[in-house]
Amino acid sequence: AQTVTQSQPEMSVQEAETVTLSCTYDTSESDYYLFWYKQPPSRQMILVIRQEAYKQQNATENRFSVNFQKAAKSFSLKISDSQLGDAAMYFCAYRSGGAGNMLTFGGGTRLMVKP
Amino acid sequence: GAGVSQSPSNKVTEKGKDVELRCDPISGHTALYWYRQSLGQGLEFLIYFQGNSAPDKSGLPSDRFSAERTGGSVSTLTIQRTQQEDSAVYLCASSVGAGDSYEQYFGPGTRLTVT
Repeated sequence: AQTVTQSQPEMSVQEAETVTLSCTYDTSESDYYLFWYKQPPSRQMILVIRQEAYKQQNATENRFSVNFQKAAKSFSLKISDSQLGDAAMYFCAYRSGGAGNMLTFGGGTRLMVKP
Repeated sequence: GAGVSQSPSNKVTEKGKDVELRCDPISGHTALYWYRQSLGQGLEFLIYFQGNSAPDKSGLPSDRFSAERTGGSVSTLTIQRTQQEDSAVYLCASSVGAGDSYEQYFGPGTRLTVT
C-alpha cells in the first residue's frame, strides 16, 4: 500500500515571503500522480497543483511550484510571494495510475501567513 | 457551473441512530468518491462509484457503512447505529470520468457529530 507523509504539522510564513511544504511518499509503482490540495476553513478541498510521475519537469501554477524528486520519493510545494489568502491546510496526495483510483492523503500541514 | 454539493452541512446525532449523508456531483460527472476526514485517521477513502459498474467498497470501515448512487447521479452514504468514532467530516468528490487525467472536485463536506 502507498503511504504519504507530511512531516510538518504547522508552518508559518511572513506575507510576501516564500515557504516550502514537504511531502514524501512510499510506492513501488511506476505510474502515479501526485497532488497538492488546499483546504481553507470552508472545508472545500481545492486542487493547487498536480504532477505526473512520468514527467521530469516540475509543475508550476503561478506562485505555486513543486520540487519533484522521483528517486527520493519527495514532492515539496513552494509558495512564492505568500498572501494572506494562502493560509489553510495543505494536503499532499498520491494516486495510482489507471482508471478510478482513489487519492491517498498525507496528514496535512497547517500554513499560517503573518501580515 | 454548480460544483459538488453536500447536505446537510452539519449533522448532530445520538449514538445508535442511523444517518444519511447526501452528495450531488457535478452534472455529467460519472465518477464519484466518498472520503472521511477525522482527527485520528486523517483523510481516508471510503467508496468509489463509476457509471454502472459495481462500486469499489474497499475503504468502508465496517458493515455499518453503506452507500448507493441512484441513476448515476446523487449518492447517499448511510451509517447505521452510529458510534462516537464515526464523528468526522465526510467529503464527496466527483470527476468527469475515471481516467488518469481527470481531476476530482470536492464538495464542502458534511460534519457529523455523534453524541
